[in-house]
Amino acid sequence: QITLKESGPTLVKPTQTLTLTCTFSGFSLSTSGVGVGWIRQPPGKALEWLALIYWNDDKRYSPSLKSRLTITKDTSKNQVVLTMTNMDPVDTATYYCAHTKVAGSPFDYWGQGTLVTVSS
Amino acid sequence: DIQMTQSPSSLSASVGDRVTITCRASQSISSYLNWYQQKPGKAPKLLIYAASSLQSGVPSRFSGSGSGTDFTLTISSLQPEDFATYYCQQSYSTRVFTFGPGTKVDIK
Repeated sequence: QITLKESGPTLVKPTQTLTLTCTFSGFSLSTSGVGVGWIRQPPGKALEWLALIYWNDDKRYSPSLKSRLTITKDTSKNQVVLTMTNMDPVDTATYYCAHTKVAGSPFDYWGQGTLVTVSS
Repeated sequence: DIQMTQSPSSLSASVGDRVTITCRASQSISSYLNWYQQKPGKAPKLLIYAASSLQSGVPSRFSGSGSGTDFTLTISSLQPEDFATYYCQQSYSTRVFTFGPGTKVDIK
């Protein structure tokens, strides 16, 4: 059974760096093809894909946010970490991590999401 | 980058209605189109992948069709639990994974 869960601060100040951790079970990020992505959703708005890391450490970033994002994995801990620098109130959103089993496949398992508020 | 649009942005329907939602890609994405359902306060749930394949456990009243740039999600007979927001997403580009803006289905 695949599960994912996001963790991190619920409140960050403007200009700070956000660090979110996705802890998963039921699959391994050393399995060929597998990836974990991050998607966010501002309150009342649409889903926005942010970043994805594959089993072979190949990384993908949203072009509009690429300069602010870093995604890494710790296969031994079954974790994926997303950092986003220079946080702004417009980055207030629920952040989700999700599993994909191979390039070109959908996000088939999602975490419950974690709400991050950016405010001074 | 591939852009995704959806229409309508919202619709009102009654239980038992047939509902169709359209998704369009800015370039051909073959059949790399996925549909998700999201209810308030919940994570999105995968309904349809590869344009027309039903995810395990999803009721058969949901179906998807299309290829290239134009796709549809159809709910053959709307049920009370289907009132939600629906998103399409392309997975053709393995560099950027774009979601559509969503279609909210509410009760007429």
